Amino acid sequence: QQQVKQSPQSLIVQKGGISIINCAYENTAFDYFPWYQQFPGKGPALLIAIRPDVSEKKEGRFTISFNKSAKQFSLHIMDSQPGDSATYFCAGRSGGSTLGRLYFGRGTQLTVWP
Amino acid sequence: NAGVTQTPKFQVLKTGQSMTLQCAQDMNHEYMSWYRQDPGMGLRLIHYSVGAGITDQGEVPNGYNVSRSTTEDFPLRLLSAAPSQTSVYFCASSARGSRAFFGQGTRLTVV
Repeated sequence: QQQVKQSPQSLIVQKGGISIINCAYENTAFDYFPWYQQFPGKGPALLIAIRPDVSEKKEGRFTISFNKSAKQFSLHIMDSQPGDSATYFCAGRSGGSTLGRLYFGRGTQLTVWP
Repeated sequence: NAGVTQTPKFQVLKTGQSMTLQCAQDMNHEYMSWYRQDPGMGLRLIHYSVGAGITDQGEVPNGYNVSRSTTEDFPLRLLSAAPSQTSVYFCASSARGSRAFFGQGTRLTVV
């Protein structure tokens, strides 16, 4: 059973446009929701993260919107650039005794056309 | 400041061979984990460890073995390689309550 569902699988956006990636989760014990960015041939790297007591977090052109009641969260990339072309993964982390086990979505391959 | 180091970067194995993927971190992190990444499947957890001497299974543990004798190292052993284990493998580490750091990956092909 997939604990974090991510959509779309792929996304094509024009330069300067807004990229939106959506995730939904089931486990209400998740205490932390990170987004990872992965370039070809590299490992995933943390992009931005949010805790469930906050509805929005913004870092530069990247914003996470979080809806606790709907158990959904999304990544918005404003003014998308060709350099943002990468695979994006959302995740939920379970706390407590599992010490930070991450459950990942299946990823979204973003292509930004110049 | 090396972070998480994985070796080798690339490996080709024949079916039935065994090998060990190495992972080392220099950040004194308690938590380490191994994922495999396959197209359209995201990152799936194989095994993880919450400290030296403590390991547990993730989503897809079959065919893999781990041990954690030190805080720094978390090797992943393939006991008898199968073509279904062709994948990209990532090791990650984190401290309690903090972000996970990933290695650069090992691309494994089993023929």
